[in-house]
Amino acid sequence: QKEVEQDPGPLSVPEGAIVSLNCTYSNSAFQYFMWYRQYSRKGPELLMYTYSSGNKEDGRFTAQVDKSSKYISLFIRDSQPSDSATYLCAIRPGGTSYGKLTFGQGTILTVHP
Amino acid sequence: DGGITQSPKYLFRKEGQNVTLSCEQNLNHDAMYWYRQDPGQGLRLIYYSQIVNDFQKGDIAEGYSVSREKKESFPLTVTSAQKNPTAFYLCASSPLLGATETQYFGPGTRLLVL
Repeated sequence: QKEVEQDPGPLSVPEGAIVSLNCTYSNSAFQYFMWYRQYSRKGPELLMYTYSSGNKEDGRFTAQVDKSSKYISLFIRDSQPSDSATYLCAIRPGGTSYGKLTFGQGTILTVHP
Repeated sequence: DGGITQSPKYLFRKEGQNVTLSCEQNLNHDAMYWYRQDPGQGLRLIYYSQIVNDFQKGDIAEGYSVSREKKESFPLTVTSAQKNPTAFYLCASSPLLGATETQYFGPGTRLLVL
């Protein structure tokens, strides 16, 4: 079993739709949770970072963490064609293993006009 | 402008050849990382370094080597022992290993085998 599972998609939605992207993880030692956006042939850029259960909002983006279920989500409201990219979840433990990220496979999202 | 630069953008390797990918950062970050990205597999850690002259193997270090002679530089050599080197290689850095800060990525180098 992989430490982090992410549905690779691809996911295609119309402009304005609400998008839900999800990851599950197996190790309860993971304490820090990130979402990266990666445009084609570019490096990933950090979108959201959180370390606690609950919701964190930034503009049209909401990151949700449920540690009891080992489940994290990223919601995109009013999706735009410019949101078309690959979205990667990344997780790392606390303690002495800090710094080493474990990534999901990435979900390819296309938002069409 | 502060950031992470990787060169070249594209690199071609012949059979049996060693090639070196460059990564430079001017963010004054302590830690640096190399990842490999293949379609459908996310990012996998090759090597990472917390301080100058020290580095650790990641999950897929076989066939790769690194050095960290300067804080701002972390070159990756893909050796002839790496039998499947075709991939997108990403360098990242973070301010302090152990803090809550996360990693910031360069633009990547695409390596292709001739």
